[in-house]
Amino acid sequence: DGGITQSPKYLFRKEGQNVTLSCEQNLNHDAMYWYRQDPGQGLRLIYYSQIVNDFQKGDIAEGYSVSREKKESFPLTVTSAQKNPTAFYLCASSTGRGRTEAFFGQGTRLTVV
Amino acid sequence: GQQVMQIPQYQHVQEGEDFTTYCNSSTTLSNIQWYKQRPGGHPVFLIQLVKSGEVKKQKRLTFQFGEAKKNSSLHITATQTTDVGTYFCAGINNNDMRFGAGTRLTVKP
Repeated sequence: DGGITQSPKYLFRKEGQNVTLSCEQNLNHDAMYWYRQDPGQGLRLIYYSQIVNDFQKGDIAEGYSVSREKKESFPLTVTSAQKNPTAFYLCASSTGRGRTEAFFGQGTRLTVV
Repeated sequence: GQQVMQIPQYQHVQEGEDFTTYCNSSTTLSNIQWYKQRPGGHPVFLIQLVKSGEVKKQKRLTFQFGEAKKNSSLHITATQTTDVGTYFCAGINNNDMRFGAGTRLTVKP
């Protein structure tokens, strides 16, 4: 089945540790995105990539890093520099940014203690 | 930069009542998309509107795109408990895509 997969679903980390969230898609989509969702604030864009080996910062990129070495994969690293990392993280992909529907993964709920 | 405002933030209705959420952009949009997120789930695409004044229907859901392409609405007729969730609009302009904060709908049986 085609789709977009995020893992893990729940993640716990100690403060000060970096953590990497996985996102894989087999939809052959060029564009991939990472969003952060906090209660009452909708979806805020962290990073996006429109093509392999290229990515751009979104509105809240500070404290995060990404890579796009393969078309299928767009991992997100939450670094210790992120002041408030506890949140629900959603990965999405589409054929082109804003032109067609975005497909979302199931999300990863990160809790930093 | 482009901003997308969505109201109301919350809406609680009795089953059978109608529901409407509104989306307003600070800039003219090329197109707008609507998504639904069930509790504990992820956003799922509902529809895309492209043309000025466009109206699309999906069963009990009616989507409108304003004449100026700066606002949009989603109307649900005779809500059911299966309609619960958060509805997001996403405004697109020059490949810049911005989500509204969403409207969380609860339905009392």
